[in-house]
Amino acid sequence: QKEVEQDPGPLSVPEGAIVSLNCTYSNSAFQYFMWYRQYSRKGPELLMYTYSSGNKEDGRFTAQVDKSSKYISLFIRDSQPSDSATYLCAIQTGADMRFGAGTRLTVKP
Amino acid sequence: EAQVTQNPRYLITVTGKKLTVTCSQNMNHEYMSWYRQDPGLGLRQIYYSMNVEVTDKGDVPEGYKVSRKEKRNFPLILESPSPNQTSLYFCASSLSGPGDTEAFFGQGTRLTVV
Repeated sequence: QKEVEQDPGPLSVPEGAIVSLNCTYSNSAFQYFMWYRQYSRKGPELLMYTYSSGNKEDGRFTAQVDKSSKYISLFIRDSQPSDSATYLCAIQTGADMRFGAGTRLTVKP
Repeated sequence: EAQVTQNPRYLITVTGKKLTVTCSQNMNHEYMSWYRQDPGLGLRQIYYSMNVEVTDKGDVPEGYKVSRKEKRNFPLILESPSPNQTSLYFCASSLSGPGDTEAFFGQGTRLTVV
């Protein structure tokens, strides 16, 4: 079993839709949870970072962590074509960082 | 401009021919790491370095070497490349660790070994 499971998609939504991206992880030792966004032919960039269960909001983006279920989510409200990218979840403890496979999202105008 | 610079961006080489991919950061970050990205597998860590002269293996270190002689540079060395090392490679740096909100990735190096 992989440390982090993420549905690779692809996911295609119309502009303005609410997008839900999800990951599950297997090891409860992981303490920090991140979402990265990767545009085509670019390196990943950190989008959201949290270390506790609950929600963290940043503009149109909300990261949600449920440690009891080992489940993390990223919600994008009012999605825009510029949100089209691959989204990778990541979990970390100490220097050990694991990434999900990434979900490719396309937001159609 | 704060950045992580990798070179080359694209490389095609033959099996067994030693190569080095350079990585340099201008942010005085202590932590640097190398990842490879393969379809369906996401990013997997190859090696990381917490500081100068301190390196450690990640998930997939076989066939790779690294060195950290100075803070800004963290080259990735493939002594004898093989076709299964064909991948997209990323170097990353952050002030103190991989979950740091100041994490930066390079643009990537697409390596093909034939």
